[in-house]
Amino acid sequence: GQNIDQPTEMTATEGAIVQINCTYQTSGFNGLFWYQQHAGEAPTFLSYNVLDGLEEKGRFSSFLSRSKGYSYLLLKELQMKDSASYLCAVRVAYSGAGSYQLTFGKGTKLSVIP
Amino acid sequence: DGGITQSPKYLFRKEGQNVTLSCEQNLNHDAMYWYRQDPGQGLRLIYYSQIVNDFQKGDIAEGYSVSREKKESFPLTVTSAQKNPTAFYPCASSMTGAEEQYFGPGTRLTVT
Repeated sequence: GQNIDQPTEMTATEGAIVQINCTYQTSGFNGLFWYQQHAGEAPTFLSYNVLDGLEEKGRFSSFLSRSKGYSYLLLKELQMKDSASYLCAVRVAYSGAGSYQLTFGKGTKLSVIP
Repeated sequence: DGGITQSPKYLFRKEGQNVTLSCEQNLNHDAMYWYRQDPGQGLRLIYYSQIVNDFQKGDIAEGYSVSREKKESFPLTVTSAQKNPTAFYPCASSMTGAEEQYFGPGTRLTVT
């Protein structure tokens, strides 16, 4: 099975930088995704890493180390609208079936304060 | 506009009734997925379909059923066999099983 851990809650100040960590244990790893979910809404795709290293997309960056089973999402220049839950999800490939599944962590609720 | 639609946003049912949740996409995606989310929990996969007329059980399929007769549509039926059906149900789609998933707005089901 898969096990994904991320902090339950974090608080950061507007304009600051925050790093949300995610560790995972899985077999058949085929990529790691980060999603943002505002309260009462469905998740929206933020980033995707399949190779080690840093992927940057505007104020958001995501890092992956496959050997350590570790990823982080970095949010810069925090804005109030960044208050949301951030979900780490690991994709697993099932060989022979040509199918993939995403397993989600429980999410990190980020509160941005003035 | 291309996207994923789910309606209604809020749905109320009495215990013992089956209820069908709709999920439609006009993104020309092959793969579609149904998830369930409970308060403070991550998303859990109920069923997924990578191609028309084919679908597979996810981690929590018991008490649910699906069909995939058209590429655009992947309805989910919550049956009376599902013991705790009250939850948030977002569906998602992706170009193929290997691409990122995009979510619809979700349906919040309350069963009393």
